[in-house]
Amino acid sequence: AQRVTQPEKLLSVFKGAPVELKCNYSYSGSPELFWYVQYSRQRLQLLLRHISRESIKGFTADLNKGETSFHLKKPFAQEEDSAMYYCALRFTGGGNKLTFGTGTQLKVEL
Amino acid sequence: SAVISQKPSRDICQRGTSLTIQCQVDSQVTMMFWYRQQPGQSLTLIATANQGSEATYESGFVIDKFPISRPNLTFSTLTVSNMSPEDSSIYLCSVAGTPGNTIYFGEGSWLTVV
Repeated sequence: AQRVTQPEKLLSVFKGAPVELKCNYSYSGSPELFWYVQYSRQRLQLLLRHISRESIKGFTADLNKGETSFHLKKPFAQEEDSAMYYCALRFTGGGNKLTFGTGTQLKVEL
Repeated sequence: SAVISQKPSRDICQRGTSLTIQCQVDSQVTMMFWYRQQPGQSLTLIATANQGSEATYESGFVIDKFPISRPNLTFSTLTVSNMSPEDSSIYLCSVAGTPGNTIYFGEGSWLTVV
């Protein structure tokens, strides 16, 4: 069965410091990977997806099939990045169902 | 994108009662889903709501406990039956929309069972 692992429950960084939120997955096929973000008192929203290969709000994530990872990175953290981040996987034939990791709370300190 | 509205946003329920959560989407969507997020935990898929047929439940979830309706392509309900404190969770409606079957989420319904 597919699984998504986010090893850090909480990550604290200072403003301006680089950010890396880790995500590893286990799935034997070709998955589709996503990062979702939930700001305080807001709904869960899509941040980025690996097939788009885009940068959103300065965040990027590269799918590394060899390491089965999809880490989320940003070179310079901003205070407004403080939020809960979830890595999610969608697998072929899964009917658009998402499997989520347990989430990482990012706290950007001044 | 899709705009999803859920009702109620929050409720406190008595043990043994049932509560129905409504999900309304601003456009027709083929696929709707119900997720649960228990306190301090990640999201877990309860079921896929199928229009015109019975919902497809994930392992560990059954129709008697979580009956789902999907009368049309813009609306679904999830009922949490015979509630116990363990059912205290956020219940989220989600849909697959454009572009590329992006999964969108409602704001969630926060249920507390006392």
